[in-house]
Amino acid sequence: QQPVQSPQAVILREGEDAVINCSSSKALYSVHWYRQKHGEAPVFLMILLKGGEQKGHEKISASFNEKKQQSSLYLTASQLSYSGTYFCGTEADSWGKLQFGAGTQVVVTP
Amino acid sequence: KAGVTQTPRYLIKTRGQQVTLSCSPISGHRSVSWYQQTPGQGLQFLFEYFSETQRNKGNFPGRFSGRQFSNSRSEMNVSTLELGDSALYLCASSLGTELAYTGELFFGEGSRLTVL
Repeated sequence: QQPVQSPQAVILREGEDAVINCSSSKALYSVHWYRQKHGEAPVFLMILLKGGEQKGHEKISASFNEKKQQSSLYLTASQLSYSGTYFCGTEADSWGKLQFGAGTQVVVTP
Repeated sequence: KAGVTQTPRYLIKTRGQQVTLSCSPISGHRSVSWYQQTPGQGLQFLFEYFSETQRNKGNFPGRFSGRQFSNSRSEMNVSTLELGDSALYLCASSLGTELAYTGELFFGEGSRLTVL
C-alpha cells in the first residue's frame, strides 16, 4: 500500500520554510525521501529508520514518528535548488519493497 | 563509478506488441527494483530482484515480468502492450546486503515507453 503524501504542491519564495508529510497505515521498517527534478532521475535525500536513526542530507531535515507511522520533511530557508518533486518511500510489508507516495511538487521562486 | 544504466531510453510500440527493457546496476549492487512512473500515479512499485530471485512484487498484472542475471543486470518484459502501459520505467539499484532495511536507491534515467 502506497504512503499518503501532503500537500500535493507548494509554492515558496526563497528563504521560506515548508513541511511535507508522509503517512502510512502500516508499521514501517524505514522511510526514504527522494527529490526528482524535471526530466531527471529521483535522487536520494535521506533515510529514517525505526528506532530514530537518520542518515542523509545536510540541509534538509526530517522526522519519523513511529507511533503514528508518519514522517515529515522540513525544507528550511529554501533555495531555488530545492525546486522539484519530493517523494517519500516506505518499507512496510517486506524488506526490499519500497513503495512511494504520489509526490509533492515544490516550486521555489526568487 | 558508473551509475545505473537503462536501455533503451525511448521506444515506441503498438498495442499488442511486447517490450523488453534492460537495466545495468552499479557495480557491486545486488538488488534491482523496477518502478513505473506516470504523471498522476507517481512511482508505482513493479518488482524487486536480489541475487537472481524475485523477492518482492507489486500489484501489476502478469503481463509484467522480469528477471535478474548472475551479474545483477536485470530485464523487465511487458507483453501484450496496452495504451495504459505508456510510462517512464525506472530501474533502481541498491547494495542489498545484510542491512535490516533497504539502503539508498540509485535510479537510472529511465526508459520512456509510448504505446500507440
